[in-house]
Amino acid sequence: RKEVEQDPGPFNVPEGATVAFNCTYSNSASQSFFWYRQDCRKEPKLLMSVYSSGNEDGRFTAQLNRASQYISLLIRDSKLSDSATYLCVVTSWGNAGGTSYGKLTFGQGTILTVHP
Amino acid sequence: DAGVTQSPTHLIKTRGQQVTLRCSPKSGHDTVSWYQQALGQGPQFIFQYYEEEERQRGNFPDRFSGHQFPNYSSELNVNALLLGDSALYLCASSRPEGTSIYGYTFGSGTRLTVV
Repeated sequence: RKEVEQDPGPFNVPEGATVAFNCTYSNSASQSFFWYRQDCRKEPKLLMSVYSSGNEDGRFTAQLNRASQYISLLIRDSKLSDSATYLCVVTSWGNAGGTSYGKLTFGQGTILTVHP
Repeated sequence: DAGVTQSPTHLIKTRGQQVTLRCSPKSGHDTVSWYQQALGQGPQFIFQYYEEEERQRGNFPDRFSGHQFPNYSSELNVNALLLGDSALYLCASSRPEGTSIYGYTFGSGTRLTVV
């Protein structure tokens, strides 16, 4: 089983639509959660963090359910510019020699295309 | 303030050859992580370097090796290239403190094609 699993889509939605992405993770010791956005042939960029209390950034809302090990991202009023791959990311932390270090584990990504 | 710089941007190699990819971290960062992203997949963790040592390693064969220099820059070496090594190789730099995830910075990657 993959550590982080996402529905790969693709999702094709019209402008103005609301779209939801889901993600599950297998490591219950995971400590931090994020959504990244990756445009075609570019590097991933941090979109937003995900907290248990839920958090919102404009049209984007992220939710975390630690009990179910489930993460979601909701995009409202989709824009053409939202077309991209959305990556669910989970971090785990370790400690060596008194220094903590983190590792990002990515899902396979969900492709979103917003059309006029 | 320069971000993460990777070189080369594109590379074509033949099966069986060896390749070296380079990464210069963002100013102030001392930890470098390497990821492999195959087409249609999310980035997969290869390894992480800190204080010139490999600190963590993902599920990659020994053909993948790395190095970190005193100036924190890093190299990724892949020996005996296979067609399946064709991918976008991403370097990310960070600081080791617990809050540094927010400071993870990715380079734009090296696209390796093995023919």
